[in-house]
Amino acid sequence: DVKVTQSSRYLVKRTGEKVFLECVQDMDHENMFWYRQDPGLGLRLIYFSYDVKMKEKGDIPEGYSVSREKKERFSLILESASTNQTSMYLCASTLPNTAGNTIYFGEGSWLTVV
Amino acid sequence: GNSVTQMEGPVTLSEEAFLTINCTYTATGYPSLFWYVQYPGEGLQLLLKATKADDKGSNKGFEATYRKETTSFHLEKGSVQVSDSAVYFCALVTSGTYKYIFGTGTRLKVLA
Repeated sequence: DVKVTQSSRYLVKRTGEKVFLECVQDMDHENMFWYRQDPGLGLRLIYFSYDVKMKEKGDIPEGYSVSREKKERFSLILESASTNQTSMYLCASTLPNTAGNTIYFGEGSWLTVV
Repeated sequence: GNSVTQMEGPVTLSEEAFLTINCTYTATGYPSLFWYVQYPGEGLQLLLKATKADDKGSNKGFEATYRKETTSFHLEKGSVQVSDSAVYFCALVTSGTYKYIFGTGTRLKVLA
C-alpha cells in the first residue's frame, strides 16, 4: 500500500514564526503536492513538485514556499506564519499522469496560528 | 477551465437508506474521474474511480458510472450505514496534466 506520512498532525504556532510541514512518501512517486483544506472552499493547491528540486506554484502560493531535496520528501514552509494560514494541510503524491493515476493523501496536518 | 460541481450538503439519511450524491464536471479532453472519502480528522482516501466513458467504478457497496453524454459521475449506494458518515469529494484529472480538480465536498450523516 502507498503510504504518505505527514510528520506533524497538530501544531500550534505563534504569528511570525517559521513553520515547517514535512511529508514523506514510500512509493517512489515523481509528483508531490501540498493542498490546504478549508470549510466551504474544498482543496486548494499550494505547490506542486514533479521532480527533485523542481516545483510549480499552485493556485494559492502566497506566503508559502516548498523544498524537495529528495524524491520521497516534500516540505512546506511558512516563512512567517499568520492567523489566516490556520488550516488543515494535506500532502499528496502520484505517478506522472498518463492514465488517470490515483492521487494518494497523507492524514493531514492541522495548523493553528495564534 | 476544468471544474467539478457536486451537490451541497449536508445530506442526512437513516441507516439502510439509498444514497445519491450528484457530481457533474466540465473538462477539455477525456478526464479520469474519482470519488474520495474523508473520515473525521483524516486525509482523503480513494473510494473508486473510472478512467473512460461508460466505466463503472465500485468499492465497498458504492458505485459511480462515467457518463460522458451528461458529464456526470454520480455516487450511489443501495443501503448506507452509520460508518459511511464522512465527507465525499468528486475529482477529475485530464491526461498529461498534474492538476487534480476537486469538488467542494458533500458531508453525509447517517443516523442509526
